[in-house]
Amino acid sequence: QQQVKQSPQSLIVQKGGISIINCAYENTAFDYFPWYQQFPGKGPALLIAIRPDVSEKKEGRFTISFNKSAKQFSLHIMDSQPGDSATYFCACEQVTSGSRLTFGEGTQLTVNP
Amino acid sequence: DSGVTQTPKHLITATGQRVTLRCSPRSGDLSVYWYQQSLDQGLQFLIQYYNGEERAKGNILERFSAQQFPDLHSELNLSSLELGDSALYFCASSPSYRVNTEAFFGQGTRLTVV
Repeated sequence: QQQVKQSPQSLIVQKGGISIINCAYENTAFDYFPWYQQFPGKGPALLIAIRPDVSEKKEGRFTISFNKSAKQFSLHIMDSQPGDSATYFCACEQVTSGSRLTFGEGTQLTVNP
Repeated sequence: DSGVTQTPKHLITATGQRVTLRCSPRSGDLSVYWYQQSLDQGLQFLIQYYNGEERAKGNILERFSAQQFPDLHSELNLSSLELGDSALYFCASSPSYRVNTEAFFGQGTRLTVV
Protein backbone atom coordinates (compact mmCIF):
# COMPACT_ATOMS: atom_id res chain seq x y z
CA GLN A 1 0.00 0.00 0.00
CA GLN A 2 1.50 3.26 -1.14
CA GLN A 3 0.70 5.62 1.72
CA VAL A 4 2.33 8.70 0.18
CA LYS A 5 1.80 9.52 -3.47
CA GLN A 6 4.02 12.17 -5.04
CA SER A 7 3.63 13.86 -8.42
CA PRO A 8 4.91 14.59 -10.93
CA GLN A 9 7.65 12.02 -11.34
CA SER A 10 9.74 14.53 -13.28
CA LEU A 11 9.52 18.24 -13.87
CA ILE A 12 11.33 20.60 -16.22
CA VAL A 13 11.18 24.32 -15.47
CA GLN A 14 12.85 27.35 -16.95
CA LYS A 15 15.12 29.49 -14.81
CA GLY A 16 13.04 31.98 -12.89
CA GLY A 17 9.89 29.87 -13.11
CA ILE A 18 7.85 28.27 -10.35
CA SER A 19 8.27 24.57 -9.57
CA ILE A 20 5.34 22.82 -7.91
CA ILE A 21 5.46 19.29 -6.50
CA ASN A 22 2.47 17.63 -4.88
CA CYS A 23 1.99 14.92 -2.30
CA ALA A 24 -1.07 13.12 -1.02
CA TYR A 25 -1.21 10.86 2.00
CA GLU A 26 -3.70 8.42 3.44
CA ASN A 27 -2.73 7.89 7.05
CA THR A 28 -4.30 10.47 9.36
CA ALA A 29 -1.78 9.50 12.04
CA PHE A 30 0.95 11.37 10.16
CA ASP A 31 1.75 14.61 11.94
CA TYR A 32 4.91 16.09 10.50
CA PHE A 33 5.55 16.71 6.83
CA PRO A 34 9.09 17.45 5.64
CA TRP A 35 10.48 17.89 2.15
CA TYR A 36 13.94 16.59 1.35
CA GLN A 37 16.29 17.52 -1.48
CA GLN A 38 18.75 14.97 -2.78
CA PHE A 39 21.64 15.52 -5.16
CA PRO A 40 23.29 12.57 -6.93
CA GLY A 41 25.65 10.71 -4.63
CA LYS A 42 24.41 12.54 -1.54
CA GLY A 43 21.99 11.81 1.25
CA PRO A 44 18.60 13.52 1.46
CA ALA A 45 18.83 16.98 3.03
CA LEU A 46 15.96 18.58 4.91
CA LEU A 47 14.62 21.53 2.91
CA ILE A 48 11.52 22.68 4.75
CA ALA A 49 8.87 21.09 6.94
CA ILE A 50 5.40 21.80 8.25
CA ARG A 51 3.16 20.63 11.08
CA PRO A 52 -0.56 19.96 10.42
CA ASP A 53 -1.78 22.90 12.51
CA VAL A 54 -0.33 25.32 9.95
CA SER A 55 -1.61 25.77 6.38
CA GLU A 56 1.47 27.39 4.90
CA LYS A 57 5.14 27.83 5.69
CA LYS A 58 7.62 29.89 3.74
CA GLU A 59 11.41 29.86 3.94
CA GLY A 60 13.11 31.99 1.33
CA ARG A 61 12.12 30.75 -2.13
CA PHE A 62 10.53 27.57 -0.72
CA THR A 63 6.91 27.34 0.44
CA ILE A 64 4.88 24.41 1.73
CA SER A 65 1.11 24.56 1.36
CA PHE A 66 -0.79 22.11 3.53
CA ASN A 67 -4.44 21.03 3.22
CA LYS A 68 -5.30 18.80 6.16
CA SER A 69 -8.86 18.00 5.07
CA ALA A 70 -7.70 16.90 1.62
CA LYS A 71 -4.64 15.14 3.06
CA GLN A 72 -2.43 16.90 0.56
CA PHE A 73 0.59 19.14 0.70
CA SER A 74 2.79 20.73 -1.89
CA LEU A 75 6.19 22.32 -2.34
CA HIS A 76 6.52 25.53 -4.31
CA ILE A 77 9.93 26.71 -5.44
CA MET A 78 9.81 30.32 -6.58
CA ASP A 79 12.37 31.81 -8.96
CA SER A 80 13.75 28.34 -9.70
CA GLN A 81 17.49 28.19 -10.36
CA PRO A 82 19.67 25.64 -12.18
CA GLY A 83 21.22 24.84 -8.78
CA ASP A 84 17.79 23.64 -7.63
CA SER A 85 18.04 20.74 -10.09
CA ALA A 86 17.81 17.68 -7.84
CA THR A 87 15.40 14.99 -6.70
CA TYR A 88 12.79 16.12 -4.20
CA PHE A 89 11.03 13.82 -1.76
CA CYS A 90 8.03 14.54 0.36
CA ALA A 91 7.77 12.57 3.57
CA CYS A 92 5.34 12.02 6.41
CA GLU A 93 6.25 11.16 9.97
CA GLN A 94 4.32 8.66 12.03
CA VAL A 95 5.04 8.40 15.72
CA THR A 96 4.30 5.34 17.80
CA SER A 97 6.91 4.30 20.35
CA GLY A 98 9.39 5.70 17.89
CA SER A 99 9.35 7.53 14.63
CA ARG A 100 9.38 6.62 10.98
CA LEU A 101 9.28 8.62 7.79
CA THR A 102 7.25 7.37 4.85
CA PHE A 103 8.61 8.90 1.66
CA GLY A 104 6.98 9.73 -1.63
CA GLU A 105 8.44 8.29 -4.81
CA GLY A 106 10.47 11.41 -5.59
CA THR A 107 10.39 14.11 -8.26
CA GLN A 108 13.34 14.73 -10.54
CA LEU A 109 13.47 18.51 -11.05
CA THR A 110 15.47 20.02 -13.88
CA VAL A 111 15.80 23.79 -14.10
CA ASN A 112 17.02 24.91 -17.51
CA PRO A 113 19.19 28.04 -17.70
CA ASP B 1 28.23 18.16 5.71
CA SER B 2 25.33 16.84 7.81
CA GLY B 3 27.56 15.65 10.64
CA VAL B 4 26.35 12.06 10.21
CA THR B 5 29.20 9.78 9.17
CA GLN B 6 28.67 6.52 7.36
CA THR B 7 31.33 3.99 6.48
CA PRO B 8 32.21 2.51 4.12
CA LYS B 9 31.02 4.69 1.23
CA HIS B 10 31.05 1.80 -1.21
CA LEU B 11 30.91 -1.93 -0.68
CA ILE B 12 31.00 -4.70 -3.26
CA THR B 13 30.41 -8.22 -2.07
CA ALA B 14 29.21 -11.58 -3.31
CA THR B 15 25.86 -13.25 -2.79
CA GLY B 16 25.62 -15.18 0.44
CA GLN B 17 28.10 -12.96 2.26
CA ARG B 18 27.61 -10.80 5.34
CA VAL B 19 28.48 -7.12 5.67
CA THR B 20 28.36 -4.48 8.39
CA LEU B 21 27.53 -0.86 7.74
CA ARG B 22 28.50 1.71 10.31
CA CYS B 23 26.92 5.03 11.27
CA SER B 24 28.13 7.73 13.64
CA PRO B 25 25.34 10.18 14.49
CA ARG B 26 25.74 13.92 14.90
CA SER B 27 27.14 14.95 18.24
CA GLY B 28 24.35 14.98 20.81
CA ASP B 29 21.83 13.06 18.72
CA LEU B 30 20.32 10.08 20.50
CA SER B 31 18.28 8.58 17.64
CA VAL B 32 19.64 6.69 14.68
CA TYR B 33 17.46 5.64 11.78
CA TRP B 34 18.32 3.32 8.90
CA TYR B 35 16.78 3.67 5.44
CA GLN B 36 17.23 1.70 2.25
CA GLN B 37 17.04 3.44 -1.12
CA SER B 38 16.59 1.37 -4.25
CA LEU B 39 15.31 2.18 -7.72
CA ASP B 40 12.23 -0.01 -7.44
CA GLN B 41 11.31 0.55 -3.77
CA GLY B 42 12.37 4.16 -3.25
CA LEU B 43 13.34 5.25 0.26
CA GLN B 44 12.18 2.68 2.80
CA PHE B 45 12.43 2.89 6.57
CA LEU B 46 14.21 -0.06 8.13
CA ILE B 47 14.70 0.54 11.85
CA GLN B 48 15.20 3.18 14.55
CA TYR B 49 17.26 3.11 17.71
CA TYR B 50 16.99 5.68 20.46
CA ASN B 51 19.65 5.81 23.17
CA GLY B 52 20.54 2.18 22.64
CA GLU B 53 17.03 0.77 22.42
CA GLU B 54 15.06 -0.28 19.37
CA ARG B 55 12.12 2.10 19.02
CA ALA B 56 10.55 1.49 15.63
CA LYS B 57 10.80 -1.19 13.02
CA GLY B 58 9.87 -1.09 9.36
CA ASN B 59 9.88 -3.81 6.74
CA ILE B 60 13.34 -4.96 7.70
CA LEU B 61 14.22 -8.43 6.49
CA GLU B 62 15.04 -11.11 9.06
CA ARG B 63 18.47 -11.39 7.42
CA PHE B 64 19.13 -7.80 8.50
CA SER B 65 19.80 -6.67 12.04
CA ALA B 66 21.00 -3.53 13.72
CA GLN B 67 22.20 -2.27 17.05
CA GLN B 68 23.18 0.97 18.72
CA PHE B 69 26.17 0.97 21.01
CA PRO B 70 26.75 2.91 24.26
CA ASP B 71 28.71 5.57 22.36
CA LEU B 72 25.57 5.92 20.17
CA HIS B 73 27.09 4.75 16.94
CA SER B 74 25.05 2.16 15.11
CA GLU B 75 25.73 -0.79 12.89
CA LEU B 76 23.48 -2.43 10.33
CA ASN B 77 24.31 -6.06 9.65
CA LEU B 78 23.18 -7.62 6.40
CA SER B 79 23.62 -11.37 5.99
CA SER B 80 22.99 -14.04 3.37
CA LEU B 81 23.12 -11.26 0.83
CA GLU B 82 21.09 -11.47 -2.34
CA LEU B 83 21.35 -9.51 -5.57
CA GLY B 84 18.20 -7.62 -4.61
CA ASP B 85 19.89 -6.21 -1.53
CA SER B 86 21.98 -3.97 -3.75
CA ALA B 87 20.96 -0.45 -2.76
CA LEU B 88 21.99 2.73 -1.03
CA TYR B 89 21.74 2.46 2.74
CA PHE B 90 21.31 5.72 4.62
CA CYS B 91 21.61 6.46 8.26
CA ALA B 92 19.98 9.52 9.79
CA SER B 93 20.13 10.93 13.28
CA SER B 94 18.03 13.29 15.38
CA PRO B 95 18.25 14.65 18.92
CA SER B 96 15.06 13.03 20.20
CA TYR B 97 13.01 9.96 19.37
CA ARG B 98 11.16 12.06 16.79
CA VAL B 99 12.25 13.16 13.34
CA ASN B 100 10.51 16.51 13.78
CA THR B 101 13.43 17.73 15.84
CA GLU B 102 15.20 17.63 12.50
CA ALA B 103 16.77 14.48 11.21
CA PHE B 104 19.98 14.69 9.22
CA PHE B 105 21.05 12.03 6.76
CA GLY B 106 24.51 10.73 6.12
CA GLN B 107 25.98 10.33 2.65
CA GLY B 108 25.05 6.69 2.49
CA THR B 109 26.75 3.38 1.81
CA ARG B 110 26.33 2.03 -1.69
CA LEU B 111 26.11 -1.75 -1.47
CA THR B 112 26.56 -3.81 -4.60
CA VAL B 113 25.96 -7.54 -4.38
CA VAL B 114 27.40 -9.51 -7.28
